[in-house]
Amino acid sequence: GESVGLHLPTLSVQEGDNSIINCAYSNSASDYFIWYKQESGKGPQFIIDIRSNMDKRQGQRVTVLLNKTVKHLSLQIAATQPGDSAVYFCAETYYGNNRLAFGKGNQVVVIP
Amino acid sequence: DADVTQTPRNRITKTGKRIMLECSQTKGHDRMYWYRQDPGLGLRLIYYSFDVKDINKGEISDGYSVSRQAQAKFSLSLESAIPNQTALYFCATSDWGTSGSDEQFFGPGTRLTVL
Repeated sequence: GESVGLHLPTLSVQEGDNSIINCAYSNSASDYFIWYKQESGKGPQFIIDIRSNMDKRQGQRVTVLLNKTVKHLSLQIAATQPGDSAVYFCAETYYGNNRLAFGKGNQVVVIP
Repeated sequence: DADVTQTPRNRITKTGKRIMLECSQTKGHDRMYWYRQDPGLGLRLIYYSFDVKDINKGEISDGYSVSRQAQAKFSLSLESAIPNQTALYFCATSDWGTSGSDEQFFGPGTRLTVL
């Protein structure tokens, strides 16, 4: 599990602070995006998704922002907790593609 | 019980051996996927299947084969394992038609080491 995070961009954040994780996606035709969280030793888990007809979507403590002009996606985690320590992946697809393309991931380390 | 299970969870094998990784799901999803994950890289798609009679190559299918034995079972085979196939392997399922999303549900992974 730990080896997944090697060589990844790493964000170190103090417990209780907000985290922002960024993702630049590649395909201008992509119209559906997902953020996944992967904890050490586990498979990726769905966090939140957003469609291209939206700029922002909120979940529990998480917000996803989509800027289609610059092909940029971000995940904001409010009041980061130790359990938020993980690798976060963005994924993109478009209607009819039937496949997800995953980014390389960002490691988040929460400092107690 | 886990919705997506993979066996084995860990496997060490030697170059040239044939290896099969198995995936089972109880979610009732039609779509199943096999990915590999290497340190510092994202998930790369090996093969995917949209139903029992449908098999499609992903971006890195060379050296791998799959079998969709039933809606709930999708196995990945390495016919002759080589060291650069050492990686974490994940199975995933999805159900586009019902949910309207392509959220994929992942198994816990299989750590494969080829010596």
